[in-house]
Amino acid sequence: QVQLQESGPGLVKPSETLSLTCTVSGGSISSYYWSWIRQPPGKGLEWIGYIYYSGSTNYNPSLKSRVTISVDTSKNQFSLKLSSVTAADTAVYYCARSIAVAGANWFDPWGQGTLVTVSS
Amino acid sequence: EIVLTQSPATLSLSPGERATLSCGASQSVSSSYLAWYQQKPGLAPRLLIYDASSRATGIPDRFSGSGSGTDFTLTISRLEPEDFAVYYCQQYGSSPPWTFGQGTKVEIK
Repeated sequence: QVQLQESGPGLVKPSETLSLTCTVSGGSISSYYWSWIRQPPGKGLEWIGYIYYSGSTNYNPSLKSRVTISVDTSKNQFSLKLSSVTAADTAVYYCARSIAVAGANWFDPWGQGTLVTVSS
Repeated sequence: EIVLTQSPATLSLSPGERATLSCGASQSVSSSYLAWYQQKPGLAPRLLIYDASSRATGIPDRFSGSGSGTDFTLTISRLEPEDFAVYYCQQYGSSPPWTFGQGTKVEIK
């Protein structure tokens, strides 16, 4: 079955750009929405945005000015960049899949998550 | 943006008891497009329920979902030891942003 795996630096300095990649295995990246979701330590879940395999995107307005999500279909990967980070961006970052049909946008499966700490 | 409010924040119950978790929406969730997830410490959330009442693949039938409009419920008929966890609801009924509730922790009494 499809599996997702996040990768990237676990420590980012304030004001710099957080960069993560999600590798999709066991299936094609085509024909689905691929999302990033984050969870600050001890807190709830926040959807960051998604990308379709064609490259179209949709971002949470609360983060839109700082977020870029891109896709590399040749590598079955998609990536997240979050600029100008602060301590408030410290979180476990998950990648997840949802069906690219309106009304079918639950998240399944999820990656295992990766903790990113923003600190100097 | 639809805001989801889950109650209670914490539910203290014993194994074998029935758990009833609530998720209220700030506006109607179209077509009952609501999901429930279970999260255990250190793990990613796991999909339990989608479309308010459909169980995901491999989810035991002691988990059931109900509701429509602005009021939704997740029921665990008889708590097993592995069910003690945090549960989140998520709406996908409107255009993004898709949103989550703040979670309900089901703990052992």
